[in-house]
Amino acid sequence: DIQMTQSPSSLSASVGDRVSITCRASQGISNYLAWYQQKPGEVPKLLIYAASTLQSGVPSRFSGSGFGTDFTLTISSLQPEDVATYYCQKYNSAPRTFGQGTKVEIK
Amino acid sequence: EVQLVESGGGLVQPGGSLRLSCAASGFTFSSYSMNWVRQAPGKGLEWVSHISSDSSSIYHADSVRGRFTASRDNAKNSLYLQMNSLRVEDTAVYYCARENSGFWGQGTLVTVSS
Repeated sequence: DIQMTQSPSSLSASVGDRVSITCRASQGISNYLAWYQQKPGEVPKLLIYAASTLQSGVPSRFSGSGFGTDFTLTISSLQPEDVATYYCQKYNSAPRTFGQGTKVEIK
Repeated sequence: EVQLVESGGGLVQPGGSLRLSCAASGFTFSSYSMNWVRQAPGKGLEWVSHISSDSSSIYHADSVRGRFTASRDNAKNSLYLQMNSLRVEDTAVYYCARENSGFWGQGTLVTVSS
């Protein structure tokens, strides 16, 4: 099975900082990658699909890039409401594995 | 408006069974693949199972294979997860989600404990 490895597992940054989270697949998955945001006590929210397509309604400060095995979620200017845990997920085939998550906090 | 509403969770003893349901509305249920995803308390998201729109393809995570079975009834716009031989480590909130979309249910809590 393809493993999904996210890094870092947590990060702390200042409001306005540019933040990047990496997700690496153990084998190529083309662009079949999604990013989710989950705030405490809430249902996960889809941010990006097809590696780089922004879901409707998601602020443009979020962006995704990558293809094959290496993917990145970038928040161009971190806002207080972005405090959450972020997950990547592959969906090219089963198992539709999630990364272990990256917890983002404000410094 | 797309809605997914899970039900059937609760407290069950180890070795017991539960059947989760997910009622879908607001979209053509029979056209979409569906997934079950779970989240143990304080832990990350874990994909559990996938079922194609016509039930021709069904997959389960290694951790539940042989114990859990996903199914659907397109006439009733419903998705199911039959969970047998439950273990303490199956304790989690279980979500149904439309494949590769932003549509998830609110989740139903399954607690496996003696």
